Amino acid sequence: TQLLEQSPQFLSIQEGENLTVYCNSSSVFSSLQWYRQEPGEGPVLLVTVVTGGEVKKLKRLTFQFGDARKDSSLHITAAQPGDTGLYLCAGERTGGFKTIFGAGTRLFVKA
Amino acid sequence: NAGVTQTPKFRVLKTGQSMTLLCAQDMNHEYMYWYRQDPGMGLRLIHYSVGEGTTAKGEVPDGYNVSRLKKQNFLLGLESAAPSQTSVYFCASSYAAPNQPQHFGDGTRLSIL
Repeated sequence: TQLLEQSPQFLSIQEGENLTVYCNSSSVFSSLQWYRQEPGEGPVLLVTVVTGGEVKKLKRLTFQFGDARKDSSLHITAAQPGDTGLYLCAGERTGGFKTIFGAGTRLFVKA
Repeated sequence: NAGVTQTPKFRVLKTGQSMTLLCAQDMNHEYMYWYRQDPGMGLRLIHYSVGEGTTAKGEVPDGYNVSRLKKQNFLLGLESAAPSQTSVYFCASSYAAPNQPQHFGDGTRLSIL
């Protein structure tokens, strides 16, 4: 059972396009993190969101945490080939410290 | 600044063989974790440790053992390897506080024939 569902699983777009990927759950999380993983490497943290409704921006990336702290989205504006990678969301459950990972969205940006 | 270092990077084993995967971190982190990553399934927690001398089971602990004799090292053992344990294994570490990011190594690709 995947507690964190990510969609879409795969996304192939042209350079310059915008995209949004989603991370959904029926569980409440005390925080949610987004990681990016490139081939042959471990995941690297992009952002942590903690407050329901929180929006964080990291250059062309915008992250939002749902009001009920059950879901999150990542929006990329004007995607570039360097954005290619596997995007993972990870939630820390309320009252615990173990982090649950989603299966990821694999993004490919074509030049 | 090495961060989290995993050895070896690649290994091929025959069914029934044993081996130990090594993880070392130089960030003085209290928490350490072992995950396996399989296609379409994301990262699944095998075992974790909240401090030197402590270990606990994660989501998929069967067939694996761990030890944390020193704060900076976390070892993952396979006593009798099975083809189902073919995977990419990641070690991670974090500070002992809520909502802290995990720092990952670059993984060990393990194939069991």
